[in-house]
Amino acid sequence: DVKVTQSSRYLVKRTGEKVFLECVQDMDHENMFWYRQDPGLGLRLIYFSYDVKMKEKGDIPEGYSVSREKKERFSLILESASTNQTSMYLCASSSPSEPYEQYFGPGTRLTVT
Amino acid sequence: GQQLNQSPQSMFIQEGEDVSMNCTSSSIFNTWLWYKQDPGEGPVLLIALYKAGELTSNGRLTAQFGITRKDSFLNISASIPSDVGIYFCAGQLTGGFKTIFGAGTRLFVKA
Repeated sequence: DVKVTQSSRYLVKRTGEKVFLECVQDMDHENMFWYRQDPGLGLRLIYFSYDVKMKEKGDIPEGYSVSREKKERFSLILESASTNQTSMYLCASSSPSEPYEQYFGPGTRLTVT
Repeated sequence: GQQLNQSPQSMFIQEGEDVSMNCTSSSIFNTWLWYKQDPGEGPVLLIALYKAGELTSNGRLTAQFGITRKDSFLNISASIPSDVGIYFCAGQLTGGFKTIFGAGTRLFVKA
């Protein structure tokens, strides 16, 4: 069974803190993704990675960075958290060939105060 | 950039009723996906569609890949309270694995 796990379900951080969100998948997928989800806006792609040490910007990369040192692990980093980064963060992975169905983790609800 | 228009935004229905929702786009997609998200959880894949005109069922759920490849429909028959959640459509473009998501349809089912 496909499994994507995220390190925390809920996080509360202060403005200016450095925040790490971790995601691990056990399907040996090459592709991994970070989205943020806000009411009325659906899912917006922050970054994705198609291989170890490879990354591509998504639609809203500003204020975020990522790290992919191992195939199974994809980390999202908020260098200096701001209140407008309060959101639900979803990690996903997908199969290495078409049809690229994406499988999601349970999400991390981040609150920045 | 590419956009998906998903409608309706929300639906309030009585248990036992059938439900229909749809997604349209100005872009042609190679694949359509339908997900359900329960409160506080990540989206779970319900149905994947790979060919124009394809009709696929998963229990009480039926989805269709539009012939123009620019739209897709999801129907839920005989709704039950556990159908409550947000339903997302997603389209994948030709030649790539980038996925575009609709804004979601929030379904409320009254017992």
